[in-house]
Amino acid sequence: EAGVVQSPRYKIIEKKQPVAFWCNPISGHNTLYWYLQNLGQGPELLIRYENEEAVDDSQLPKDRFSAERLKGVDSTLKIQPAELGDSAVYLCASSLGYRDEQFFGPGTRLTVL
Amino acid sequence: KNEVEQSPQNLTAQEGEFITINCSYSVGISALHWLQQHPGGGIVSLFMLSSGKKKHGRLIATINIQEKHSSLHITASHPRDSAVYICAVPVNTGNQFYFGTGTSLTVIP
Repeated sequence: EAGVVQSPRYKIIEKKQPVAFWCNPISGHNTLYWYLQNLGQGPELLIRYENEEAVDDSQLPKDRFSAERLKGVDSTLKIQPAELGDSAVYLCASSLGYRDEQFFGPGTRLTVL
Repeated sequence: KNEVEQSPQNLTAQEGEFITINCSYSVGISALHWLQQHPGGGIVSLFMLSSGKKKHGRLIATINIQEKHSSLHITASHPRDSAVYICAVPVNTGNQFYFGTGTSLTVIP
């Protein structure tokens, strides 16, 4: 069975440009998470979805970040405009339900120049 | 103060050594996760446990809910075990996951 798929794996953009990340969770997983991970640090939750509903987006910088999971399956995370400090790895994870074991995607490494 | 504290932050061991990584947390939880992240790679879930002990191959994870402490042990360590090991806890109230900053393990042949 395929794991969590993310694309692109790497993205380099200039500051002030928009960028979008895509995540396809494991089939049947209702819960989807987006995390941000800075070098040498643990992941930080940005947003959690239960099906198509964003149940926790308290850590998402809403002035520039947005996310959607329209049909309760795939999800996209967007940054517009990107800033230098947004350079990080963006991880997507999914689980059957909240507090079930999470499975992580390979991440998208974003570099903002 | 971090809700999840891990120690040590960095660990270097000789191949074959027994390794212990510790995790302490300050919030009420229903389960705790141990994750593994290889350099440049994605994160792999190793264990999810809510009580007692779990074993998978050379890896053993224990948790003491009363003491709010968990340990990850690696027996007969191998260079391929070199990775960052992260402890994570979902919080009972609210909708947060808290992660430790990770323990960077290097096993030398």
